[in-house]
Formats: sequence, structure tokens, C-alpha cells
Amino acid sequence: DAKTTQPNSMESNEEEPVHLPCNHSTISGTDYIHWYRQLPSQGPEYVIHGLTSNVNNRMASLAIAEDRKSSTLILHRATLRDAAVYYCILRDFISNFGNEKLTFGTGTRLTIIP
Amino acid sequence: DGGITQSPKYLFRKEGQNVTLSCEQNLNHDAMYWYRQDPGQGLRLIYYSQIVNDFQKGDIAEGYSVSREKKESFPLTVTSAQKNPTAFYLCASTLGLAERPHEQFFGPGTRLTVL
Repeated sequence: DAKTTQPNSMESNEEEPVHLPCNHSTISGTDYIHWYRQLPSQGPEYVIHGLTSNVNNRMASLAIAEDRKSSTLILHRATLRDAAVYYCILRDFISNFGNEKLTFGTGTRLTIIP
Repeated sequence: DGGITQSPKYLFRKEGQNVTLSCEQNLNHDAMYWYRQDPGQGLRLIYYSQIVNDFQKGDIAEGYSVSREKKESFPLTVTSAQKNPTAFYLCASTLGLAERPHEQFFGPGTRLTVL
């Protein structure tokens, strides 16, 4: 799977939007972009995924650049419960058939300021 | 409620002892995974299983063993051959190959400390 680059840490004020960036300049045409988050001392949880078009769900929005070399996870109104490590992961669903492993980097540690 | 359970939450063992970590899921998922996480690091894959009675090594399988005798259970044994076993261990599961699922479901983790 292609590699992703994320800032080590970010801070945001409570009740404000948060934009978490991810660079993936070597992304292939069959790579899906996934985001997971991990709260302290818990297992990761799925947030959202996309391929080319922007995506929205109840947790967040995913904005994907037109050239797909970068993406941004958007939390529309951050709460204290959103403080976590956020992981941006690429998964090739074609060439990796039979191996659904996720390759986690170190992610972005998001701190929410009350 | 459907989900993944891991037990125990905290585990202590002496050097030279084998220890088995439990992972059970009632989601009817075919595929199950074991990851290891060290402080401040991402997750690394130890073993995975796509179907009962079959499993594959991940990136860091040395010193670990698994079994998959039942669909809902995927226990991980940390053997004495694992040189640095102190870590946070996470179990995950997904639907099977045919569904090509995007979401992996994770358990709450077991924190293993070797004394």
C-alpha cells in the first residue's frame, strides 16, 4: 500500500471545525482512502472512506483533492470526545485481494481545547 | 449487542512464560486480525485469518502463534521466543473476502506487561 504523511499533532478549539490533512502523493488508481481514529487506551474505530468523490457521514466529511494526492478529514464541530489519534490509511482493493490488513502510521494526535 | 471482546484487559507475565490472549466476536465475520501497538506508534500486523482453520503471518509474526478452530474465536499466544512482548494488543475483524469490506472492527485491546 502507498504511504501517507500526516502532521504529528494538531490543536483545535471546542465547537470549531477541524481540518486534518493527509498527503498521499504516490496513491494508485485503485487505492481507497480510509480514516480511523483511536481514543486513549481503546482500539481504533472506523471514521470514513472514499475513492474519488467527497464523502459525508454522521461522524465526519472527507474531502479528496482532484488529483487524489491529498485528502482532508473534516470534523464540523469538534467536541472534547473527538480528542484522539487520527490515522489516514490507503488500501488497494485490487492487488491486495485476500489480505485486508490495514497499515497504520503514527497518525495525527488531535487535542481539543475547551 | 454485536462486537469484539478481548480478555483480559491487563495481563502481567514473567519472562519465559507463554501467555494466551483471547479474542471473540459475535459479528459473524469471516476475517480476524491481531495487531500490536507500542507506545506512540501505529499498529503492526501479527497474524490474520480469512477463514476457519486457516491463518497467515503478518509483518511481525516471530514469537507469536495463533489458532482459528472456530469462526468466532482467534486466540493469540505470545511465546517466550518473543523478545519484547510488552505492548498493547488489538484484535479486529471484518466481513469475508466476497464482501470486500471497508471497515475493520476493533476490540478494546489487552495491555501485556512482562515483568
